[in-house]
Amino acid sequence: NAGVTQTPKFQVLKTGQSMTLQCAQDMNHEYMSWYRQDPGMGLRLIHYSVGAGITDQGEVPNGYNVSRSTTEDFPLRLLSAAPSQTSVYFCASSSSYLGQKNTEAFFGQGTRLTVV
Amino acid sequence: QQQVKQSPQSLIVQKGGISIINCAYENTAFDYFPWYQQFPGKGPALLIAIRPDVSEKKEGRFTISFNKSAKQFSLHIMDSQPGDSATYFCAASKDNAGNMLTFGGGTRLMVKP
Repeated sequence: NAGVTQTPKFQVLKTGQSMTLQCAQDMNHEYMSWYRQDPGMGLRLIHYSVGAGITDQGEVPNGYNVSRSTTEDFPLRLLSAAPSQTSVYFCASSSSYLGQKNTEAFFGQGTRLTVV
Repeated sequence: QQQVKQSPQSLIVQKGGISIINCAYENTAFDYFPWYQQFPGKGPALLIAIRPDVSEKKEGRFTISFNKSAKQFSLHIMDSQPGDSATYFCAASKDNAGNMLTFGGGTRLMVKP
């Protein structure tokens, strides 16, 4: 049981390049989210999905696209990278709230992205 | 504007002491308040969480105190250990679960031996 797996762990991009950050979970969770972590600002929600085929914007969605074709995968795409997107990116998954059952969000190990 | 404000940004505590981290929120629709612990190079991991129908929750050395009227909640780490040295984040969500979290800015805790 791997939990939430993110690839790559590190990436350097040039301004204007595109790339996809991969996220996969094997816990059959309905919810998946992408956050970015910047010093002093905690984690901020970029996009989230409540199930396959359903996505929505979070607090800081500009410059990022997502899609959810399967329950397991939730890739994050940067179409034209900018230095302001230099950050550590975390993917998370969680299950729907069911009474008092555990609804913990599980996070991946992160992708450290530098845009030069 | 930051909907969840966390203080202090950094904290140094002697081994065996009590670490206290505070958070304040503005949105009264929040109904789930977790604390996450993060070690360098790792993703955040859930430490303890509380819902607003209780004022305190304790798990081992970790306690959350919750004041609904003041819109504040805090994490207390009793008998702090060097292994507790990490960054701690408070968070909140509106769906009574760990989805779509709004995080505080984080507190870097160092416990000195």
